[in-house]
Amino acid sequence: GAGVSQSPSNKVTEKGKDVELRCDPISGHTALYWYRQSLGQGLEFLIYFQGNSAPDKSGLPSDRFSAERTGGSVSTLTIQRTQQEDSAVYLCASSMRGGLLNEQFFGPGTRLTVL
Amino acid sequence: AQSVSQHNHHVILSEAASLELGCNYSYGGTVNLFWYVQYPGQHLQLLLKYFSGDPLVKGIKGFEAEFIKSKFSFNLRKPSVQWSDTAEYFCAAFTSGTYKYIFGTGTRLKVLA
Repeated sequence: GAGVSQSPSNKVTEKGKDVELRCDPISGHTALYWYRQSLGQGLEFLIYFQGNSAPDKSGLPSDRFSAERTGGSVSTLTIQRTQQEDSAVYLCASSMRGGLLNEQFFGPGTRLTVL
Repeated sequence: AQSVSQHNHHVILSEAASLELGCNYSYGGTVNLFWYVQYPGQHLQLLLKYFSGDPLVKGIKGFEAEFIKSKFSFNLRKPSVQWSDTAEYFCAAFTSGTYKYIFGTGTRLKVLA
């Protein structure tokens, strides 16, 4: 079946603009993660959704970042008033259920460049 | 704070050389450890994982890793690398009581043919 998909694959925006990044998880996966991959920084956890539970937003770097997951499936990560330091690859991953025993499957990422 | 450290940021090897990539974690409780690999132009994918039991874990493509609790380490090894192993490798820890994976900064491996 289809894997995790993300769109757009690349996004170039001007400083101060808002952007929306989309993630389509694997069908049936209830857990969804967002990460940010910056040069030399590894993967930084941003937010975690599990079913209908309240998301774990503890990794969001500022209140300019928000995410939602509609109908337990598609997720959108929104960055308001983008800054140059927001430039990174944003990765989405999903798993059957949250937690240890369930392997994460990663999408191809969205490369965000803020000019 | 919980963290995962990868000491080698860039490694260059010739084909058939042996590989060892270091990974150390800092967490006092139960931790489960992973290695992920990202080949050029491809998604991150799981290479191997340690949950419990035998501390020597074997993964895909001839990779293995050894969990040494006393050293807080989970180093990745391969006896003889191939050009196709050129990729970026990430060590990650999953900490009990949360659903968070903590990733290291990654090691870029380049294997020369």
